[in-house]
Amino acid sequence: NAGVTQTPKFQVLKTGQSMTLQCAQDMNHEYMSWYRQDPGMGLRLIHYSVGAGITDQGEVPNGYNVSRSTTEDFPLRLLSAAPSQTSVYFCASTMYPGANVLTFGAGSRLTVL
Amino acid sequence: GENVEQHPSTLSVQEGDSAVIKCTYSDSASNYFPWYKQELGKGPQLIIDIRSNVGEKKDQRIAVTLNKTAKHFSLHITETQPEDSAVYFCAASISNYGQNFVFGPGTRLSVLP
Repeated sequence: NAGVTQTPKFQVLKTGQSMTLQCAQDMNHEYMSWYRQDPGMGLRLIHYSVGAGITDQGEVPNGYNVSRSTTEDFPLRLLSAAPSQTSVYFCASTMYPGANVLTFGAGSRLTVL
Repeated sequence: GENVEQHPSTLSVQEGDSAVIKCTYSDSASNYFPWYKQELGKGPQLIIDIRSNVGEKKDQRIAVTLNKTAKHFSLHITETQPEDSAVYFCAASISNYGQNFVFGPGTRLSVLP
């Protein structure tokens, strides 16, 4: 099993550009989520999904869109990148809401110039 | 909403000594408290967790204690080894509620040989 796979690992964007961070899991997990990690601020929840076709906002959703068309994939879209979105992004999943143990991907480092 | 504070932000110990990291939370409804370890260039990985109906839990050299009245919980690592060097995050959540965690800002632990 690959677990949670994130691509790309590194990305540099210019302000205003758009891009999609990909997240895929092969564990048949119902719950998937996106966090951003900034120095001194820990991990903050951006968006999450409790199953295919269901998404909801987390603590810091502004500037990000998500969709969940399949159980396996949960892409994060930046429609118009801003320097404030420079961060390391982590996708995480768990079997079902309430299963508790999050499995994280290796992260995607995004720099917005 | 929930707020999790974590101290210290950095911690250096000699190999073989003990390390203690402390977290406080604000929402008395939180009932699940995991600890994640993040090694350089990797995603966080669960190392131990505790539920609100338990005061202490041990797993070999790692233990977690919970004081519900004071709303704080701590990670204890005994007989530290160089491979314990990493960033440690505490978190709190209301179990069975979408599995949305609030993370502390992290503690960078360095174990000096």
